[in-house]
Amino acid sequence: EDQVTQSPEALRLQEGESSSLNCSYTVSGLRGLFWYRQDPGKGPEFLFTLYSAGEEKEKERLKATLTKKESFLHITAPKPEDSATYLCAVQAASTGYSSASKIIFGSGTRLSIRP
Amino acid sequence: ETGVTQTPRHLVMGMTNKKSLKCEQHLGHNAMYWYKQSAKKPLELMFVYNFKEQTENNSVPSRFSPECPNSSHLFLHLHTLQPEDSALYLCASSLRDNQETQYFGPGTRLLVL
Repeated sequence: EDQVTQSPEALRLQEGESSSLNCSYTVSGLRGLFWYRQDPGKGPEFLFTLYSAGEEKEKERLKATLTKKESFLHITAPKPEDSATYLCAVQAASTGYSSASKIIFGSGTRLSIRP
Repeated sequence: ETGVTQTPRHLVMGMTNKKSLKCEQHLGHNAMYWYKQSAKKPLELMFVYNFKEQTENNSVPSRFSPECPNSSHLFLHLHTLQPEDSALYLCASSLRDNQETQYFGPGTRLLVL
């Protein structure tokens, strides 16, 4: 069964304290892995898409990496404005034209950065 | 206005009420989606529309009825809901329905009493 697990469920860091969020997945053929950021009361905001093991993408203090079993979202020297819930989603390969139903979201990691 | 907008942002309804959620995208996309987000649970895909045609219905109860009059607008009609239907309902759009990058609206926070 296709599955996405994110850990930890919640993470509290001091400003400037670097750390990583984990997204482990089990899918029948990975088509893409996505990271989103969600602020309270808002919809998810797209951050990255990774397609193959070894791929890395960066945006400001965030860096996403991908292996065959998991993805990490590394946060370097975070600031309070990085506080949010970070969602991971995977898209499994589909033989049909419509593959939207194969997008599976994790439960998210709630990140809190203290000044 | 740009991006994906949703109205209303908050909704309280009784179990016998009928209400509708509205989503509009200004991105020129052809696919639109409804998701349900409950506390401490992953996003659940409900419906997918591609070029106004429904392409996915993930076993959603009939008390939820979607409508897509054109590629820019999506509605979710609600009727005789249950308290467990209380959640954040998110609309998203993408260029096509197999296009990975989806852009989300702010959501409608629904409370069913």
